[in-house]
Amino acid sequence: DTEVTQTPKHLVMGMTNKKSLKCEQHMGHRAMYWYKQKAKKPPELMFVYSYEKLSINESVPSRFSPECPNSSLLNLHLHALQPEDSALYLCASSQDPPLTGLSYNEQFFGPGTRLTVL
Amino acid sequence: AQKVTQAQTEISVVEKEDVTLDCVYETRDTTYYLFWYKQPPSGELVFLIRRNSFDEQNEISGRYSWNFQKSTSSFNFTITASQVVDSAVYFCALKGSGNTGKLIFGQGTTLQVKP
Repeated sequence: DTEVTQTPKHLVMGMTNKKSLKCEQHMGHRAMYWYKQKAKKPPELMFVYSYEKLSINESVPSRFSPECPNSSLLNLHLHALQPEDSALYLCASSQDPPLTGLSYNEQFFGPGTRLTVL
Repeated sequence: AQKVTQAQTEISVVEKEDVTLDCVYETRDTTYYLFWYKQPPSGELVFLIRRNSFDEQNEISGRYSWNFQKSTSSFNFTITASQVVDSAVYFCALKGSGNTGKLIFGQGTTLQVKP
C-alpha cells in the first residue's frame, strides 16, 4: 500500500474559524511532511516530522500549527488564516527521516486539501 | 546554493508524438538525488523516478525514459508516443546531501497532449 490519504479534499473557512487538515499513511514511513502549493507554482515545504517529532519548521507563521499524534497521522491545525493562505496543502511521507544519513528516499504525496480562506 | 531550472513552461504536442522535458540543476554537493514527479489536474504529486548522483545510468520504464548527464548537470525526461493521459504538470526536484529532507523543485513544465 503506497497511499497517503488526506481529508478533507476541499475546505472553505472564514478568517476567524479554526479547522484542521488530516493526513494518514500506513507504509511504516517515519518522516511526514506538510507542503503548501499555490496555483502554477511548485510545492513549498512547511514542516517535517521525523519519528513523530518536529524536525524542520520553514519559518511558517504560527497560525499554522502541526501535530503528529502517532507515526501514521499528521494534522495541520489552522487558526485566524488570511485569504493569501488559500492554496493546495499537500502531505507527504518518506521511509527514512532527514538527519539519519538516509535522506535520499523519495517522498510519496497525498491528493491534497484545497483550502479557500474567505 | 541549490537550484533546479525547467526552462519549458508549457509544451503542447499531439498524441503519439515524443516529447522531452528538460531539467537543469545546480548544486555544490558531491552526493545528491534527483527526482521527477507528475501532477495531474487532480492535484496529487505522483513519484516517477529517483536518481542518485553516483549512478549515471539512463533508465527506461515503459514509454518513459530519463537521461542523466552530470557533465551538463541535466536530468531530462522523455515520453515516447505520448498519450492524452500524460497531460499534467511535471516537476523535477533535487535533494542535496544535507539531510534536511527538503526537495528543491523546479517551476514545473505543463504538458498538454492533444488527441
